Amino acid sequence: GQQVMQIPQYQHVQEGEDFTTYCNSSTTLSNIQWYKQRPGGHPVFLIQLVKSGEVKKQKRLTFQFGEAKKNSSLHITATQTTDVGTYFCAAFYSNYQLIWGAGTKLIIKP
Amino acid sequence: DAGVIQSPRHEVTEMGQEVTLRCKPISGHDYLFWYRQTMMRGLELLIYFNNNVPIDDSGMPEDRFSAKMPNASFSTLKIQPSEPRDSAVYFCASSPWGGSSYNEQFFGPGTRLTVL
Repeated sequence: GQQVMQIPQYQHVQEGEDFTTYCNSSTTLSNIQWYKQRPGGHPVFLIQLVKSGEVKKQKRLTFQFGEAKKNSSLHITATQTTDVGTYFCAAFYSNYQLIWGAGTKLIIKP
Repeated sequence: DAGVIQSPRHEVTEMGQEVTLRCKPISGHDYLFWYRQTMMRGLELLIYFNNNVPIDDSGMPEDRFSAKMPNASFSTLKIQPSEPRDSAVYFCASSPWGGSSYNEQFFGPGTRLTVL
């Protein structure tokens, strides 16, 4: 069956450093979504990627979808304290199956 | 719109009791999702519905769990009998169909369930 691997599990950064999380699927995706969950909160939608090789930007956030539609990444430039939280990918497959990544927790070092 | 509404927000019960969690999706949304989140297992999709019909229930842990969607504005997740390992935050989310693909999911605030 389909599997989604999200790495790393945690990333500790100094404020101002960059952050990247990756999602990799064993099979081709229909599309992929990214969500952010703040501590104590619920997941909030960030973006959806549908097309092969798609790149989308939201201010300091850059989202990419691989050419083969099997992997995706989220990159944050110059992290700020407001970026703290857990970032999840949600992968949709053509057989209507939906699989979430395990999440990457962004921690800002004091 | 009020967003996705879940009730109760907190539930404390004893092992063996029946627990019913409720969800009201955003009006007009075609999809409804039930999730469970724990520190150990992360965010797990339990089941999702399209137009009130279950599409994928492969994430439902066992027969003690059941979910229904009798109409477009209401869904329940029932656990009977409950066990301590069911303690978690349960989220409901809804989503409109995007025309040619899935669309963003709007999550409710969650129900924090504690089974003693």
